[in-house]
Amino acid sequence: DADVTQTPRNRITKTGKRIMLECSQTKGHDRMYWYRQDPGLGLRLIYYSFDVKDINKGEISDGYSVSRQAQAKFSLSLESAIPNQTALYFCATSPRGNTDTQYFGPGTRLTVL
Amino acid sequence: QKEVEQNSGPLSVPEGAIASLNCTYSDRGSQSFFWYRQYSGKSPELIMSIYSNGDKEDGRFTAQLNKASQYVSLLIRDSQPSDSATYLCAVRGGYQKVTFGIGTKLQVIP
Repeated sequence: DADVTQTPRNRITKTGKRIMLECSQTKGHDRMYWYRQDPGLGLRLIYYSFDVKDINKGEISDGYSVSRQAQAKFSLSLESAIPNQTALYFCATSPRGNTDTQYFGPGTRLTVL
Repeated sequence: QKEVEQNSGPLSVPEGAIASLNCTYSDRGSQSFFWYRQYSGKSPELIMSIYSNGDKEDGRFTAQLNKASQYVSLLIRDSQPSDSATYLCAVRGGYQKVTFGIGTKLQVIP
């Protein structure tokens, strides 16, 4: 079984719709991250959370929000999706005290029409 | 100037050759440096990390760091077709912040 799972794996939605991407992990890690990956731009950090009560904005948080429901769950929401949010989204985790190694989920391919 | 710069490639090398992947970074206070491998359609996975100047070897992979030149590289010896992937350079600069480069696509030709 995968240690970091993401649902859905693929999603097509329309402009203006609200959408939630979910991430769950069984690695027992405290720290969780949401990235998006775009061709030519690489991986960019959207939000990160060091524990359930600690949530921080990354470099491109505008248009996104997150919820850390439990140590194992970290959700990313697009309140009103727009086409330039079309991208590959990755969730990642890392253990407390070691943010060097990040373990990535399989990714969610999101298309906003 | 991007914080972490890589040539997007593709870098093509024949099977058995040495592949050399390069990365430069802008933050002189950077502490930790990583190479992730990402196969097409898959998620990144860490293959090497390096923290001090010099070389670090792990099997066919060698990471090289030169903090004075703000340069980190990855050498892959005896390249195999299975090494064909995109290699992401990542740098940890300020507090807990890791920045990724755009990645270099490597093609190993049989």
